Amino acid sequence: DAGVIQSPRHEVTEMGQEVTLRCKPISGHDYLFWYRQTMMRGLELLIYFNNNVPIDDSGMPEDRFSAKMPNASFSTLKIQPSEPRDSAVYFCASSPGDRGMNTEAFFGQGTRLTVV
Amino acid sequence: SQQGEEDPQALSIQEGENATMNCSYKTSINNLQWYRQNSGRGLVHLILIRSNEREKHSGRLRVTLDTSKKSSSLLITASRAADTASYFCATTPQGGKLIFGQGTELSVKP
Repeated sequence: DAGVIQSPRHEVTEMGQEVTLRCKPISGHDYLFWYRQTMMRGLELLIYFNNNVPIDDSGMPEDRFSAKMPNASFSTLKIQPSEPRDSAVYFCASSPGDRGMNTEAFFGQGTRLTVV
Repeated sequence: SQQGEEDPQALSIQEGENATMNCSYKTSINNLQWYRQNSGRGLVHLILIRSNEREKHSGRLRVTLDTSKKSSSLLITASRAADTASYFCATTPQGGKLIFGQGTELSVKP
């Protein structure tokens, strides 16, 4: 398996534009996580899915952020409209899970988002 | 909000020395994990310790867990320059949720 694949690796966009980040988890993994990493706030959990169902989105900053997982092999994180304070590295991770608990999480390389 | 807090925030040691990082958390957990992140890269899993375990070893890594104190420590023995990275603890407070601390930045000087 190629691991967790995120695209794009880098994104520069203007304030107000829609941004879509994509993630392909490892096949067979039950859990998918979206994180945001900044120097100020560290690594924040935005949302996670179990078997394609969103379980906890309490970390999503505001209504401008939305995430979907239409099937087991694809997830998107969308920001609309984007703002400069959304600039960060966004990570997707997946985990196989074990009897309802997550286990080792595998991370993608991240998408570095810059909103100007 | 963050579940785990690492201590120290930054650590600088000489090659060959041992490095100890601590993690404290707030709520009961199912397991605790340690990850490593090299600059500009994604996180890589190092070791997982379950709530009913007290100590675990993997190569030069030793992890302890004290659920009564809600704390864990990661010891890297005989450190190498290649161990230079940020180290994070992550807890699973319920079900599948995985929450990371702020991390410890380790610098190992040759």
